[in-house]
Amino acid sequence: GQQVMQIPQYQHVQEGEDFTTYCNSSTTLSNIQWYKQRPGGHPVFLIQLVKSGEVKKQKRLTFQFGEAKKNSSLHITATQTTDVGTYFCAGRKNSGYSTLTFGKGTMLLVSP
Amino acid sequence: NAGVTQTPKFQVLKTGQSMTLQCAQDMNHEYMSWYRQDPGMGLRLIHYSVGAGITDQGEVPNGYNVSRSTTEDFPLRLLSAAPSQTSVYFCASSYSVIGDSYGYTFGSGTRLTVV
Repeated sequence: GQQVMQIPQYQHVQEGEDFTTYCNSSTTLSNIQWYKQRPGGHPVFLIQLVKSGEVKKQKRLTFQFGEAKKNSSLHITATQTTDVGTYFCAGRKNSGYSTLTFGKGTMLLVSP
Repeated sequence: NAGVTQTPKFQVLKTGQSMTLQCAQDMNHEYMSWYRQDPGMGLRLIHYSVGAGITDQGEVPNGYNVSRSTTEDFPLRLLSAAPSQTSVYFCASSYSVIGDSYGYTFGSGTRLTVV
């Protein structure tokens, strides 16, 4: 079945450093979504990417969808302690209706 | 709007007991689903529904039943609890079954321990 791999599993940065998490799918995706889960909380939707090569920004967060629609990345510029949490990508296959398959997530810890 | 409401928030069960995890949404969402989250495993889909009266299995359906008699409610039943079902369970809903720019709305979760 479809697999969505996410790396790294864990990253610890100093406040002000940049952070990037990568998501790779074994199959072409129709779209990809990103979610953030704070410690002890529930996943919260951040963004959806649909077009090949698409780039979207939300303040310090930059999301990219690969040209082949099989990979994606989330980059955070100048991390803050409020960025702490686990970031999940979730992909939907390029074959009509299908469910979302979540990656295992990247846990980000930011030290002040 | 309350969004997605899950009850209970915490539950301890003995092996072999049954119980129902409740999920309700007030956003008129078409799609509803149940995920379990275990350390290092991410979110795994248990069951999902694309509308009232329609349900289907996800990646890890064994030991769980669902039904969707109304648009709003999507309960998850554990038939005979096992320690392997100790997990955090999330209900999620979305407006469209094929994905939309608003993504999934998750409930706050139910932390289940089976002893």
